[in-house]
Amino acid sequence: AQSVTQLDSHVSVSEGTPVLLRCNYSSSYSPSLFWYVQHPNKGLQLLLKYTSAATLVKGINGFEAEFKKSETSFHLTKPSAHMSDAAEYFCVVSDLRYGNKLVFGAGTILRVKS
Amino acid sequence: DAGVIQSPRHEVTEMGQEVTLRCKPISGHNSLFWYRQTMMRGLELLIYFNNNVPIDDSGMPEDRFSAKMPNASFSTLKIQPSEPRDSAVYFCASSLATSGSYEQYFGPGTRLTVT
Repeated sequence: AQSVTQLDSHVSVSEGTPVLLRCNYSSSYSPSLFWYVQHPNKGLQLLLKYTSAATLVKGINGFEAEFKKSETSFHLTKPSAHMSDAAEYFCVVSDLRYGNKLVFGAGTILRVKS
Repeated sequence: DAGVIQSPRHEVTEMGQEVTLRCKPISGHNSLFWYRQTMMRGLELLIYFNNNVPIDDSGMPEDRFSAKMPNASFSTLKIQPSEPRDSAVYFCASSLATSGSYEQYFGPGTRLTVT
């Protein structure tokens, strides 16, 4: 079965510095991968998705992620953090062999310091 | 597009009472998912429907929970009787299950408190 591991439960950065949120996945088939963001007391919002097209995926709010099959990774990055980026981020995998369910990572809470 | 609509947004009830949560998926989507989120357990998939048919309910915690989808534009999640440990945020999500595209769109959630 597919699974997702988010390597950091909390990440803290200063405003204006780069953001890196790490994610490794496990899937023996060609997965679809997603990043979702959840601001406090809000629903989950899709940031970006990878579905076997370009390995570098650009999302909303300046975020991007790179699919690296050899490393089974799908890390999320942003060149310059903004205070409004403070939220919880979920790495998610979908494997077509298991229907259209999504498997969520445990989440990484991003803190942005002024 | 109005997005996924959930009601009520907040529900406070006493233990033993019946609770019904409602969801309207995005028009044209053919898959609907119910999730529960708590601090202790994170985000859990409870049940999902494809074309109004329940496909996988293995995440439903026990018989007190039931879900229905009478048509493509409406679903309910019912808890009867409710217990304090059911307190959580319940999310509904929908997707259009086309080849190669399985992203889900989430509603704002219903925050349930059972006292």
